[in-house]
Amino acid sequence: GAVVSQHPSWVICKSGTSVKIECRSLDFQATTMFWYRQFPKQSLMLMATSNEGSKATYEQGVEKDKFLINHASLTLSTLTVTSAHPEDSSFYICSAIRRVSQETQYFGPGTRLLVL
Amino acid sequence: GNSVTQMEGPVTLSEEAFLTINCTYTATGYPSLFWYVQYPGEGLQLLLKATKADDKGSNKGFEATYRKETTSFHLEKGSVQVSDSAVYFCALSGFGNEKLTFGTGTRLTIIP
Repeated sequence: GAVVSQHPSWVICKSGTSVKIECRSLDFQATTMFWYRQFPKQSLMLMATSNEGSKATYEQGVEKDKFLINHASLTLSTLTVTSAHPEDSSFYICSAIRRVSQETQYFGPGTRLLVL
Repeated sequence: GNSVTQMEGPVTLSEEAFLTINCTYTATGYPSLFWYVQYPGEGLQLLLKATKADDKGSNKGFEATYRKETTSFHLEKGSVQVSDSAVYFCALSGFGNEKLTFGTGTRLTIIP
């Protein structure tokens, strides 16, 4: 149990377009989801915390108008990279915390974004 | 702020060798400490954790002890297997705070 999926697993897009990444908890309800970004050979950096039904809380330095996060249900959060540019190319990972147990984060497999 | 410093990789070992991956941290208060593992093509999975000083987390033959005096949480395994090949991440969360701070990850490759 506690499976988190992401879609797509990888995406290539042109500069200036927007890309939506989905994060789903497949077999549990998640009150909180997190979005991370990982550059090659670097740590996972927390971008934002998303709570179902409320606005996301962004970490310092993350542009909320560029990285739109929606958490409309207990099993789905989406990250939209708006007007993507080559510097947005990265590996984006989500995680979710179960509604009934607030201890462990369950991670998705990640989405690799390449902006040309 | 919180930070995690992790042994750089990649690390290559022969099967049945002893493994140590070093991890030290900087944090205020009493953080919880974690090791996550990422197998090829999969998401991060919690390997083990410790929530207070001197606690030992263990799972699948891996162990790590929360050492407050040295601010360390080194990962060890007495005899590694090819199936242990993965990327290992050390992480912490502040007391009462679910946000995780990660180390850079260590890629481990075990050769038969």
